[in-house]
Amino acid sequence: EAGVAQSPRYKIIEKRQSVAFWCNPISGHATLYWYQQILGQGPKLLIQFQNNGVVDDSQLPKDRFSAERLKGVDSTLKIQPAKLEDSAVYLCASSPRLAHAGELFFGEGSRLTVL
Amino acid sequence: GQQLNQSPQSMFIQEGEDVSMNCTSSSIFNTWLWYKQDPGEGPVLLIALYKAGELTSNGRLTAQFGITRKDSFLNISASIPSDVGIYFCAGLYGGSQGNLIFGKGTKLSVKP
Repeated sequence: EAGVAQSPRYKIIEKRQSVAFWCNPISGHATLYWYQQILGQGPKLLIQFQNNGVVDDSQLPKDRFSAERLKGVDSTLKIQPAKLEDSAVYLCASSPRLAHAGELFFGEGSRLTVL
Repeated sequence: GQQLNQSPQSMFIQEGEDVSMNCTSSSIFNTWLWYKQDPGEGPVLLIALYKAGELTSNGRLTAQFGITRKDSFLNISASIPSDVGIYFCAGLYGGSQGNLIFGKGTKLSVKP
C-alpha cells in the first residue's frame, strides 16, 4: 500500500514570496490533515478535511495560509506571503473513515525555509 | 488551551537498558497515542490507548493510559540502536471528529 505522498520535499524562498505544497493521501482515506512542525516542537494542526469539506481550520492563519481539497482526494496548502516564522516542516496525514480517531498516517513532510 | 508536557526532553541510554518517558496535562483526554519520528520522516503511530487505566504492549513497547486521564507513560524494554528517534505523546480532544495535540517530544539516543 502506497503511503502519503508529499511534494516538494524541500523549498527555500524569501520572505513575502509564495509557496504551495501538495499532498496525496493513502487511497480511500477520507480524512486529510495538514500539520505544521517547527524545529524542536511537536506537530500542530493547521486544517482537517473530511472528504472535500473542512472540519477544523481554527488554527490556520487565514490571512496568509489557504488549503483546498477540491475533489476529496489530494490537497494543496498555500502560503502567501511567507514570513520568517513560517519556516517549518509541513506534514500531511490521512486516516481511513472507520479508524479510531487520532490514528494518523503521516507523509515525509515538506521542509520550508524562509530567508 | 490544552498543553502536553513530556519528560524527559532527551535521554542517552546504554543499549539493552529499559527506557521510561511520560506525558502529563492539566486537561483530560479520552485517547492517548504515542508516535515515533525518525529524522527526515513523518511520525509513525506506535501505540494507541482508549480507556483510562489501559495497559497496551507492542513488542518491546508498553504504554499506559493514566487513571486520571491526564497522563500517559511509555516504556521501552531492552533498547536497541534503532530505537533512536523522537517520541511524541498525543492527546485527542473534541470527540469522534477530534484532533490531536502533540507534546514537544522526548529525544532518545542510544550508545551502541
